[in-house]
Amino acid sequence: EPEVTQTPSHQVTQMGQEVILRCVPISNHLYFYWYRQILGQKVEFLVSFYNNEISEKSEIFDDQFSVERPDGSNFTLKIRSTKLEDSAMYFCASRVGLTEKLFFGSGTQLSVL
Amino acid sequence: EDQVTQSPEALRLQEGESSSLNCSYTVSGLRGLFWYRQDPGKGPEFLFTLYSAGEEKEKERLKATLTKKESFLHITAPKPEDSATYLCAVPNQAGTALIFGKGTTLSVSS
Repeated sequence: EPEVTQTPSHQVTQMGQEVILRCVPISNHLYFYWYRQILGQKVEFLVSFYNNEISEKSEIFDDQFSVERPDGSNFTLKIRSTKLEDSAMYFCASRVGLTEKLFFGSGTQLSVL
Repeated sequence: EDQVTQSPEALRLQEGESSSLNCSYTVSGLRGLFWYRQDPGKGPEFLFTLYSAGEEKEKERLKATLTKKESFLHITAPKPEDSATYLCAVPNQAGTALIFGKGTTLSVSS
């Protein structure tokens, strides 16, 4: 079964450093997403991406965050200057259409020290 | 204001003891209600989508039902391997993203 692939599985960084989280969505999917989950809390929407542009973003997704689909297969989330409160599990997700189910990757655990 | 509210937050069952989880939602013009299972340290795994009131879907020991304001996930004769967090999600008003509830953490002991 096709799956969403995320790398790395764990990332440790110092506060103020830039990090890039990488995802390879399922190949025929058109809609791409980033979600995050702080330990013990709910899965929170960050951003959706369609047709090479952001279609919606949450209030969490401020100027420190950016997304890119550089080559038609990868989908990346960049955090420009990490803060302690950015520590969370980040999930990439994709789907074929807006009413279809979301497929999630296994996540990148980001720890900001 | 939360669009999706799940209850209870946690549920402990004995193996074989059936029960139900609740998901209530406030979005109007529902365009699908989604149930996911999440194991610790993993991404959510899709279970069901329900689109209209009265619809039911089943998978092994799980059955999901939908009314105009809530959905239930019924677990019949659960086994320890059913232990997980069960998440409910609905599309936001624009329909561009899924919004998740906080989940119900189910523990089934043998």
